[in-house]
Amino acid sequence: KNEVEQSPQNLTAQEGEFITINCSYSVGISALHWLQQHPGGGIVSLFMLSSGKKKHGRLIATINIQEKHSSLHITASHPRDSAVYICAVGGNQFYFGTGTSLTVIP
Amino acid sequence: DTAVSQTPKYLVTQMGNDKSIKCEQNLGHDTMYWYKQDSKKFLKIMFSYNNKELIINETVPNRFSPKSPDKAHLNLHINSLELGDSAVYFCASSHGADGYTFGSGTRLTVV
Repeated sequence: KNEVEQSPQNLTAQEGEFITINCSYSVGISALHWLQQHPGGGIVSLFMLSSGKKKHGRLIATINIQEKHSSLHITASHPRDSAVYICAVGGNQFYFGTGTSLTVIP
Repeated sequence: DTAVSQTPKYLVTQMGNDKSIKCEQNLGHDTMYWYKQDSKKFLKIMFSYNNKELIINETVPNRFSPKSPDKAHLNLHINSLELGDSAVYFCASSHGADGYTFGSGTRLTVV
């Protein structure tokens, strides 16, 4: 079993839909990261959070430390949001989820 | 200006060779990293390094070694390359709670 589990693995949405990607982890962490990898391969760090909630534009990330769970929400999704979203958790070690492949259809 | 730059972008080499990938960041970050992304797109951290501490993922073969001439550079040396080393290698840097900035990746193909 992976230390970090993401769901769903693949997600197709219509433009404008509200999207949620979930991440559960089983290790102690000091921070959780949400990363975005576009089809071209580049990786962008979206959020780093250790508690509560962060918002950046149409993206919202939440974390529940007690439940060891985080969610990434995308409001009013757009085709340019199509990418792989990766959850990563870190403490003494660093673990990655296997990613959620999101496709937003116009 | 590129914040985290890696060179080369593509590297094709024969088994058994020794190669290096360079990474430079101009963000003033204090910690740099190397990650490996395999053919299944699974990311794994290889090293994290700041001016005080090198943390090595114990699963990384000792053929891989990071070299940091200064705070802005963390190069990756690979000795005796093997077919299984073929992957995309990402450099990244961070500073405190600022999050990570990734390089654009180096696609290594060992033939």
